[in-house]
Amino acid sequence: EAGVAQSPRYKIIEKRQSVAFWCNPISGHATLYWYQQILGQGPKLLIQFQNNGVVDDSQLPKDRFSAERLKGVDSTLKIQPAKLEDSAVYLCASTLGVFTEKLFFGSGTQLSVL
Amino acid sequence: KQEVTQIPAALSVPEGENLVLNCSFTDSAIYNLQWFRQDPGKGLTSLLLIQSSQREQTSGRLNASLDKSSGRSTLYIAASQPGDSATYLCAPLGGSGGGADGLTFGKGTHLIIQP
Repeated sequence: EAGVAQSPRYKIIEKRQSVAFWCNPISGHATLYWYQQILGQGPKLLIQFQNNGVVDDSQLPKDRFSAERLKGVDSTLKIQPAKLEDSAVYLCASTLGVFTEKLFFGSGTQLSVL
Repeated sequence: KQEVTQIPAALSVPEGENLVLNCSFTDSAIYNLQWFRQDPGKGLTSLLLIQSSQREQTSGRLNASLDKSSGRSTLYIAASQPGDSATYLCAPLGGSGGGADGLTFGKGTHLIIQP
């Protein structure tokens, strides 16, 4: 079974530039999450999709972050413009259901904003 | 808002020892709780998932318990090995806001098993 795929693996940008991350969840997984993990911290939920609808985006900084999940499969997360404090690992995860299933994580995209 | 605390923050022990990692959470209205392992530069791997109606789950040398009413979970690692070295995170799902709360992670326990 293929895992959750994410790209790019690393990204270095300057502040005020824009960046996009891509995620392909495990086939058939209806629920997709984007998490932000700052060094030394646990992951923080940014947005949760159920199929192509947003379930929770309460912690997404909507003035600069946006995310979409077209056709309920792949998802992209965008930051525009980036700030220094956005330096983190961005993790995508998927699960078959919501309340009873394990989460499967991708390897993440490590973003450095200079 | 759910808050998760993990103790200890770091632990270094010689191989062969039995270990207990602790997790506490403030909102007991959870659906389940997962324990994850994270290796440096990698994503998270789910080790065990305990439903709110369960008391414990076992997988190989790992055993996780859940006391939902007191807001506590423990991960027991038997006969530790150097390959167990990683950061272990616990994450309850949900809270009083329901499943839309998502997973809330602790900061993790950084574990080093000395050969």
